Amino acid sequence: DVQMTQSPSSVSASIGDRVTINCRASQDISTYLAWYQQKPGNAPKLLIYDATRVQSGVASRFAGNGSGTDFTLTISSLQPEDFAMYYCQEANSFPFTFGPGSKVDVK
Amino acid sequence: QVQLQESGPGLVKPSETLSLTCSVSGGSIRVRNFYWGWIRQHPGKGLEWIGYFLYSGRTYYNPNLESRITISGDTSKNQFSLKLSSVTAADTAIYYCTRVARMFVAGAVIPVFESWGQGALVSVSS
Repeated sequence: DVQMTQSPSSVSASIGDRVTINCRASQDISTYLAWYQQKPGNAPKLLIYDATRVQSGVASRFAGNGSGTDFTLTISSLQPEDFAMYYCQEANSFPFTFGPGSKVDVK
Repeated sequence: QVQLQESGPGLVKPSETLSLTCSVSGGSIRVRNFYWGWIRQHPGKGLEWIGYFLYSGRTYYNPNLESRITISGDTSKNQFSLKLSSVTAADTAIYYCTRVARMFVAGAVIPVFESWGQGALVSVSS
């Protein structure tokens, strides 16, 4: 199985801050990576797929980058509704492993 | 806009079979461009892909769970189901049903988990 790691596991930020979350795969997964946002009590919400493609309806402040083994999710200007958990997921091979998550909370 | 809703028992005894149904509205499961499947989340922890199927009947399962999983669809009811046998406490989780788009990217087909149900908590306990 591909192993996924994320850093930082937690980040404290203020409204308007630029926030970057990192995701690393244990082997080359090309651009087959997705990012999700999850708020307490809710299902995950797809933000980014194929490493850089923003899902329809997702705010333009979310951007994904990377290929191979190293990827980033950037929130260009943090908004109140962005405080949440963020997960990456490889979509290259079964079992489509998720990262352990990164929590964005209030500074 | 497609909506998915999980239903089923919230409590299952150890060694028994967990059974969940996902009802789909706003879209048909008889569509070539989507898989329909399940993901679970252990309490306070990360996410685990369980498996999905195509309307044609082709199924794809997590190799780590494959021996215990059955995912199938009922096109007459526009529903699909998950059966997980021989459950233990380790199977206690929130189970999400998902619609997965088949995206064609640079000659490859990649799954995009685009729509999720609200989730159903299933506890395994005697």
